[in-house]
Amino acid sequence: AQKITQTQPGMFVQEKEAVTLDCTYDTSDQSYGLFWYKQPSSGEMIFLIYQGSYDEQNATEGRYSLNFQKARKSANLVISASQLGDSAMYFCAMRDGGGTSYGKLTFGQGTILTVHP
Amino acid sequence: DVKVTQSSRYLVKRTGEKVFLECVQDMDHENMFWYRQDPGLGLRLIYFSYDVKMKEKGDIPEGYSVSREKKERFSLILESASTNQTSMYLCASSPTGLVTEAFFGQGTRLTVV
Repeated sequence: AQKITQTQPGMFVQEKEAVTLDCTYDTSDQSYGLFWYKQPSSGEMIFLIYQGSYDEQNATEGRYSLNFQKARKSANLVISASQLGDSAMYFCAMRDGGGTSYGKLTFGQGTILTVHP
Repeated sequence: DVKVTQSSRYLVKRTGEKVFLECVQDMDHENMFWYRQDPGLGLRLIYFSYDVKMKEKGDIPEGYSVSREKKERFSLILESASTNQTSMYLCASSPTGLVTEAFFGQGTRLTVV
């Protein structure tokens, strides 16, 4: 069965510093996708970054990068040069097919990130 | 612009009522999802649908049912609302495939009294 684990309920970082949010996953599928979403206090879900299981390079999108370690089944989000606007809840998610062509999308518990000035 | 719209932002219902939460997407996506979000538990999948009239149970389907009669609309039904179903409900949609991101609605905060 799919499982996503985020072990950090809350994280604090100083403005302009980098921060890593942890995510581990469990799946028996060879083909899967990993996603990170940001949820600010307004409640909307904002897609940040995606990593495919067959991608050899770590994904990057601006200040966001995904540290993908397939053997360890981890997909940590790295935010560089934190800004006050990065304060939000962050969710890691995984999509695998379980043998089907569509993907059940499973989320972790989330990490609340607080950026201090 | 991609759009997933949930019919209500806030809803207050009485215990035992039948509750309908509606979700509409305008992107012709095959997949649609219903989640509930509770503090410390993240987003938990209730049901998802990969085609019209097709559905699969998620991780917490008890007490819920769904309906997808048209591709753009996915309804979540609480047959007999209970106080432990007080939660934030999020609808999402995505194209077919394992590598596609999901797009979310704005959420419905449901309170059952």
